[in-house]
Amino acid sequence: QKEVEQNSGPLSVPEGAIASLNCTYSDRGSQSFFWYRQYSGKSPELIMFIYSNGDKEDGRFTAQLNKASQYVSLLIRDSQPSDSATYLCAGSSASKIIFGSGTRLSIRP
Amino acid sequence: EAQVTQNPRYLITVTGKKLTVTCSQNMNHEYMSWYRQDPGLGLRQIYYSMNVEVTDKGDVPEGYKVSRKEKRNFPLILESPSPNQTSLYFCASSVDRSNTGELFFGEGSRLTVL
Repeated sequence: QKEVEQNSGPLSVPEGAIASLNCTYSDRGSQSFFWYRQYSGKSPELIMFIYSNGDKEDGRFTAQLNKASQYVSLLIRDSQPSDSATYLCAGSSASKIIFGSGTRLSIRP
Repeated sequence: EAQVTQNPRYLITVTGKKLTVTCSQNMNHEYMSWYRQDPGLGLRQIYYSMNVEVTDKGDVPEGYKVSRKEKRNFPLILESPSPNQTSLYFCASSVDRSNTGELFFGEGSRLTVL
């Protein structure tokens, strides 16, 4: 069974701090990785994707990929209350995409 | 406005009564897929379609059917719903098969089967 594993949380981070979300995957054939944000009662929204080893930055978000360790992470700098949501990690190979069960992030004022 | 539209958004039905959840996208996307989301299990793929008349099973296809007669529409059919199909369903689309992870999601359809 190919899996994407995430700590379900909740992860509580003070406002202004760095939130670090982690994800591991079992399918070495996975080529691309994605982070989706899902607010309570809403649909998932793509916020970051990464295809190559290393870091990718977009505003306050940084995605990190280490294919040798089969590890993906998302860093959120200067965390804001609006970042409180569930974050879904996903990996894809060919036509299949596998989602993790999500990490619930709470930013406390 | 680019969007994926699902209907109905909420539905309560009874065991065995056939139902269809419609999904339509206005972005001319080739790839479309259906997911169900259950607490603790995350998003699981039911069926996907690479293009018109091309569909394939995802991870949890039992009890579901789909069709892709037109590029924009990808309905999900439950021929004989059962209580274990009570779930939150999402339709999603992406540009093509090379971008299957860059998904645009519909707003979701919450289904309860009694």
